[in-house]
Amino acid sequence: EVQLVESGGGLVKPGGSLRLSCAASGFTFSSYFLSWVRQAPGKGLEWVSSISTSGSYIYYADSLKGRFTISRENAKNSLYLQMNSLRAEDTAVYYCARELRYDWNDVETVFGYWGQGTPVIVSS
Amino acid sequence: QSVLTQPPSVSGAPGQRVTISCTGSSSNIGASYAVHWYQHLPGTAPKLLIYGNNNRPSGVPDRFSGSKSGTSASLAITGLQPEDEADYYCQSYDSSLSGSVFGGGTKLTVL
Repeated sequence: EVQLVESGGGLVKPGGSLRLSCAASGFTFSSYFLSWVRQAPGKGLEWVSSISTSGSYIYYADSLKGRFTISRENAKNSLYLQMNSLRAEDTAVYYCARELRYDWNDVETVFGYWGQGTPVIVSS
Repeated sequence: QSVLTQPPSVSGAPGQRVTISCTGSSSNIGASYAVHWYQHLPGTAPKLLIYGNNNRPSGVPDRFSGSKSGTSASLAITGLQPEDEADYYCQSYDSSLSGSVFGGGTKLTVL
């Protein structure tokens, strides 16, 4: 069974940093394209970032303007999102999502499996 | 303002059929990029319902179906059941933004 478990969310002050983690199990981690998607309170889903199977290709939503960094550690079956210079508008539940298709490495992705999400609150 | 436009809400009685529209543009749906649909109950993990415009992952009932034409797509749900009450999102790729885009979401109420 595919499992994705996010952690690392919490309350942080504006301008602060946070590192989210996603622990995966139930599939060959190194063979799947992975992404982060967020949902702000009362809003819809928003794609944040994606990373290829080897980590060689990385994609970000324009709105992030270089503040976020996605990475993965295939040996540990883990996905990460380093978030810096956080703003109130970054307040959201952050979801880890796995591509549906095996060995797919294109940013035109299908979010086949999702974690339960980890909440991030940016407030003074 | 979402790149893909969905109605904020739809409703239907048990057993009825409802459709949810998703309207895009020439840089996403109209550019022949596939449309995917997700079901989301607040506080839970979103679930993939339809991928590649009209394909169901294993385990998704055939009451759910998708279609696409031009710059729009639709999700149809037949034989509405109380457990279908949720938020539904469409998603595609946008070549201008070089990334995935979602619709604003549609809340389905089963009367």
